[in-house]
Amino acid sequence: DQQVKQNSPSLSVQEGRISILNCDYTNSMFDYFLWYKKYPAEGPTFLISISSIKDKNEDGRFTVFLNKSAKHLSLHIVPSQPGDSAVYFCAASSNTGNQFYFGTGTSLTVIP
Amino acid sequence: DAGVIQSPRHEVTEMGQEVTLRCKPISGHDYLFWYRQTMMRGLELLIYFNNNVPIDDSGMPEDRFSAKMPNASFSTLKIQPSEPRDSAVYFCASSFRLHRTDTQYFGPGTRLTVL
Repeated sequence: DQQVKQNSPSLSVQEGRISILNCDYTNSMFDYFLWYKKYPAEGPTFLISISSIKDKNEDGRFTVFLNKSAKHLSLHIVPSQPGDSAVYFCAASSNTGNQFYFGTGTSLTVIP
Repeated sequence: DAGVIQSPRHEVTEMGQEVTLRCKPISGHDYLFWYRQTMMRGLELLIYFNNNVPIDDSGMPEDRFSAKMPNASFSTLKIQPSEPRDSAVYFCASSFRLHRTDTQYFGPGTRLTVL
């Protein structure tokens, strides 16, 4: 069973606008979340994280929001740039284990 | 540092053949992870090692899959015999510690196609 779900396989956004990538999880024990970014022919690279003690974490143009009651997190990219075109994976873990559970990814295309 | 190195980058083989994927982690990293990426399931953890010792292999799909880490700078993932449903991208990653706030660094992956 997929414990972390990214229901949008793809997303297209105009350059300069906001990109919002969504992620849902089912395990209420998850309390630490990550976003990874993946370019074609490369491995995923860490982008941003958030702990469940927060509901928002910001790093430059990237902000992750966490809604624990809805078991939902989102990644906002503002403003979007063509170089942001990549596949974005969200991942979650609980403090009872060391494994990260990844979603299936969302392919973002930023149109110049 | 060169980062995590994987070889080959692409592998095409026929059903029933043995496949060996290779990984060199970042020097000084004590943890090594093998993941598989598919469209349906995303990134799945197959197995991870600590100081060359396999710690959790619960993600290994079946006995056809095996992984070894003979030394701190080399690991292999072997599939024998391979099947078409094994077609996927296989990633190796390494980290300094296992703490979940410690970043895992991924290699570029091996795209495996089993005909």
